[in-house]
Amino acid sequence: EIVLTQSPDTLSLSPGERATLSCRASQSVGSSYLAWYQQKPGQAPRLLIYGASSRATGIPDSFSGSGSGTDFTLTISRLEPEDFAVYYCQQYGSSPYTFGQGTKLEIK
Amino acid sequence: QVQLVQSGAEVKKPGSSVKVSCKASGDTFNSYAISWVRQAPGQGLEWMGRIPPMLRISDYAQKFQGRVTITADKSTSTAYMELSSLSSEDTAVYYCAGDRRGILTWGHGTMVTVSS
Repeated sequence: EIVLTQSPDTLSLSPGERATLSCRASQSVGSSYLAWYQQKPGQAPRLLIYGASSRATGIPDSFSGSGSGTDFTLTISRLEPEDFAVYYCQQYGSSPYTFGQGTKLEIK
Repeated sequence: QVQLVQSGAEVKKPGSSVKVSCKASGDTFNSYAISWVRQAPGQGLEWMGRIPPMLRISDYAQKFQGRVTITADKSTSTAYMELSSLSSEDTAVYYCAGDRRGILTWGHGTMVTVSS
């Protein structure tokens, strides 16, 4: 199975700053079948990005995804207070689907 | 877009089974798969398996093979996840998700607590 490793585990930033989250796969993710989800405490995850770089419906353009093969990045261009949450990457190019361990984005 | 409503919280004894339901609305039930993902307290997300569109053979993560059964009833647009031989390590929130070629749209989750 494909193992996804996210870095860093925790990212401490201030509102207005730029956030860069990384997701590295143990083998190539076919056709960029890579998604990003946001999860807030007590809530279900929410789809942000699919196909490595396509924003889901209703997701602001401050969120962007990039990458291919084994290295992927989620960028939040300017942090809003509501963006502080845990972020997960997921590959769906091969079964089983797998998730990264998550990056916690916290307020500095 | 699909909306998913899951059954309520469960408390189970070790060694027993649990069956969680997931009722879909808002989109044609046969047009997407249903995946099940769990999240233990304070932990990350773990994919358990899926039942594809048209309710063909389910696909399970190896870790849960033999212990999980995912089924669906087209007539009621409801999917089910049954997990057997429960232990305390199965205490988690269990999510169903609409699965369009692997892209997940999540239900609200069902808390399953395994305790003697």
